[in-house]
Amino acid sequence: QVQLVQSGAEVKEPGASTKISCKASGYTFNDYFLHWVRQAPGQGLEWMGWINPNSGDTNYAQKFQGRVTMTRDTSISTAYMELGSLRSDDTAFYYCARRYSSGWRNWFDSWGQGTLVTVSS
Amino acid sequence: QSVLTQPPSASGTPGQRVTISCSGSRSNIGRNSVNWYRQLPGTAPKLLIHSDYQRPSGVPDRFSGSKSGTSASLAISGLRSEDEADYYCAAWDDSLNGHVVFGGGTKLSVL
Repeated sequence: QVQLVQSGAEVKEPGASTKISCKASGYTFNDYFLHWVRQAPGQGLEWMGWINPNSGDTNYAQKFQGRVTMTRDTSISTAYMELGSLRSDDTAFYYCARRYSSGWRNWFDSWGQGTLVTVSS
Repeated sequence: QSVLTQPPSASGTPGQRVTISCSGSRSNIGRNSVNWYRQLPGTAPKLLIHSDYQRPSGVPDRFSGSKSGTSASLAISGLRSEDEADYYCAAWDDSLNGHVVFGGGTKLSVL
């Protein structure tokens, strides 16, 4: 079955960077876009961007442009999301999610378990 | 401020029918399908409804989705205590270069 397994929780100081991994299994990694979504404590879901594992193309939400980099390593079916210049309001759970498409319809059919990033001095 | 608008809370008693609304615009709900996700406390979101009204395998028919124009709704009938969760609507948005937008989420309480 489809599984997305993320790396463990991290604590970072303000100004530092974090790089979270999302390892896919149960399907052909190159065939499905992976998106990243974050959720601050007690808040709603916020879309960050996507990566096309086949080409490496990315598309980021304007809010994160210049601070976020999404990459992948197809040899190990793993996607990465790196967020730099961390601030306290970046404290959140970060999720990867697989995009499933049927014609022009798209949805996230599988999610990682989430990675908590805490930004604190 | 979320692009899609949901009521922050909803409630019902066991057995009742509850609906959660999701309002957007032509560029998102008006032109793209709506998806609903359910998030139980301390867990990742999970797909509940896709393509406006389609239920993934394993989702009971107590859950139904609908859409009209730039608004969508999620209905839950035969409410159960285990339905207590946060519910989010989402859609792709053509005005934002195909980015994804979410509603702010609705916390459903079963009284």
